[in-house]
Amino acid sequence: EVQLVESGGGLVKPGGSLRVSCAGSGFTFSTYSMFWLRQAPGKGLEWVSRISPDGDYLHYADSVKGRFTISRDNAKNSLYLEMNSLRVDDTAVYYCGRDWFGEFYWGQGTLVTVSS
Amino acid sequence: EIVMTQTPLSSPVTLGQSASISCRSSQSLVHSDGNTFLSWLHQRPGQPPRLLIYKISNRFSGVPDRFSGSGAGTDFTLKINRVEAEDVGVYYCMQAAEFPWTFGQGTKVEIK
Repeated sequence: EVQLVESGGGLVKPGGSLRVSCAGSGFTFSTYSMFWLRQAPGKGLEWVSRISPDGDYLHYADSVKGRFTISRDNAKNSLYLEMNSLRVDDTAVYYCGRDWFGEFYWGQGTLVTVSS
Repeated sequence: EIVMTQTPLSSPVTLGQSASISCRSSQSLVHSDGNTFLSWLHQRPGQPPRLLIYKISNRFSGVPDRFSGSGAGTDFTLKINRVEAEDVGVYYCMQAAEFPWTFGQGTKVEIK
């Protein structure tokens, strides 16, 4: 069974940093592009970032470029999102997903709250 | 960035009847590889979104055949036949043809 389990969410002050992680299982992690989406409370969906299977190609939304870094460790079947200079409007549930040529699957999400 | 526009934003439907949601993109979603990366997602209250349809008309694993997608280029439609109570929630279209990936505003489907 395919599983993506996010972790690492929590409360952080504006300007602070946080790293969220995603553990994949039930599939060959190293062959999939992976991505992060987010959803602010009561709002719609926003794509955040995507990484190629080997980690060579990275893409970011303008809203997080220069502040967030996506990475992966294929040996550990894990995806990461390092978030720096966090702002109140980064508050959201962050979903980790896998991409197989447009066929997407994602996890249950982890809540990141940025508040003083 | 590609702007995705859904209509209607709210859709009250009667159980057993059909519902249709339109999605229009500000530019073609045909990728350089020939695929059209238009997906439909469904989100129930308090739940993560789930994929219903990918590449215009392909149903994701486990999705009932009551759900169907159609369209081409910049105009796409999700149709739900014989609406059931479990179909309530918000439906989003999403494009992954070009970065940044973008979503429609969402269409709220509720039972009359």
